[in-house]
Amino acid sequence: DIQMTQSPSSLSASVGDRLTITCQASQDISKYLNWYQQKPGKAPKLLIYDASNLETGVPSRFSGSGSGTDFTFTISSLQPEDIARYYCQQYDKLPFTFGPGTKVDIK
Amino acid sequence: QLQLQESGPGLVKPSETLSLTCTVSGGSISSGSLYWGWIRQPPGKGLEWIGSIYYSGSTYYNPSLKSRVTISVDTSKNQFSLKLSSVTAADTAVYYCARSTIAVAGRIVYWGQGTLVTVSS
Repeated sequence: DIQMTQSPSSLSASVGDRLTITCQASQDISKYLNWYQQKPGKAPKLLIYDASNLETGVPSRFSGSGSGTDFTFTISSLQPEDIARYYCQQYDKLPFTFGPGTKVDIK
Repeated sequence: QLQLQESGPGLVKPSETLSLTCTVSGGSISSGSLYWGWIRQPPGKGLEWIGSIYYSGSTYYNPSLKSRVTISVDTSKNQFSLKLSSVTAADTAVYYCARSTIAVAGRIVYWGQGTLVTVSS
């Protein structure tokens, strides 16, 4: 299985801050990486697909980049409604695997 | 708007079979090039992909669960289901049914609200 790691595991930032989460795959997954947002008690929501494409309806403050084994997820200006856990997920090879998540809080 | 809703027992005894159904509304489960699947999340932990079924009936399972998992579709009811046999406490989780985008199994766009299944005697 392809192992996904994320850092940091949690972070606190102020409203308006720019924050970045990194995701690393244990092998080359090309561009086949998604980012999801999960709020407490809710199902995950797809934000970014194919590493850098914004899902329809997702605010433009969210963005992603990277390819191969190293990927980055960025919120350009943190909003209170962005408080959630964020997961990366690879879909280059079965089984699809998720990173452990990054918890984002407001400072 | 596509909606998915999980249903099934919230409590299952160890060694028994967990059975869940996902009812799809707002779209046809037999529409071409679609993948339907299940993902689970143990309380306080991360996400694990269980498996998917293509509209044609082909199935894809996580090898870690493959010997115990069956995913099937009932087109007459616009539903698909999950069966997980020989459950243990480690199978306690919120189970989500989901649908991927057209022709891309791994891009999971639609999710049910999730249902908590507890394995306990």
